[in-house]
Amino acid sequence: QKEVEQDPGPLSVPEGAIVSLNCTYSNSAFQYFMWYRQYSRKGPELLMYTYSSGNKEDGRFTAQVDKSSKYISLFIRDSQPSDSATYLCAMIQNSGGSNYKLTFGKGTLLTVNP
Amino acid sequence: NAGVTQTPKFQVLKTGQSMTLQCAQDMNHEYMSWYRQDPGMGLRLIHYSVGAGITDQGEVPNGYNVSRSTTEDFPLRLLSAAPSQTSVYFCASGGGTYSGNTIYFGEGSWLTVV
Repeated sequence: QKEVEQDPGPLSVPEGAIVSLNCTYSNSAFQYFMWYRQYSRKGPELLMYTYSSGNKEDGRFTAQVDKSSKYISLFIRDSQPSDSATYLCAMIQNSGGSNYKLTFGKGTLLTVNP
Repeated sequence: NAGVTQTPKFQVLKTGQSMTLQCAQDMNHEYMSWYRQDPGMGLRLIHYSVGAGITDQGEVPNGYNVSRSTTEDFPLRLLSAAPSQTSVYFCASGGGTYSGNTIYFGEGSWLTVV
């Protein structure tokens, strides 16, 4: 079993839809959870960063972490064609010091149709 | 992705040739790393460094070499290129007092080995 599982999609939605993207993980030592957005032929760009369980909102984006279920989600409200990209979940098992090794899901390809 | 600079952006190599992918960051980050991204495999960690003079292996280190002589630079060397090393390579940096656990990625280097 991979440490981080993410449905690769592809996911296609109409403009204005609410999008839900999810990842599950098996390592209970993960403490920090991120969502990255990656446009075609570009580097990953950090969207959301959360620590431990709970919700975090930033504009149209909401990140949710449930450590008891080992499950994280990203919700996109009022989706726009410009949201079309691959979304990657990532996690850090930070045992202290300067080690920030990210473990990634494989990414979900999202297309928002006008 | 301002702050992490990768060169070259595109490179074609012949099997057996060696080359170095350059990575530089100007954010005084302690942590730097190299990932490769392949279809269906996601982002996989090759090597990482938690400070000048300190490097360690990631998930897929074979065929690659790194060094960290300065805080700013973290070059990735391909010792004898193989077609299996055809991939997109991303350098990432992060950490430090003001960055928390935020990891920033470069724009990527597309490498083809023929």
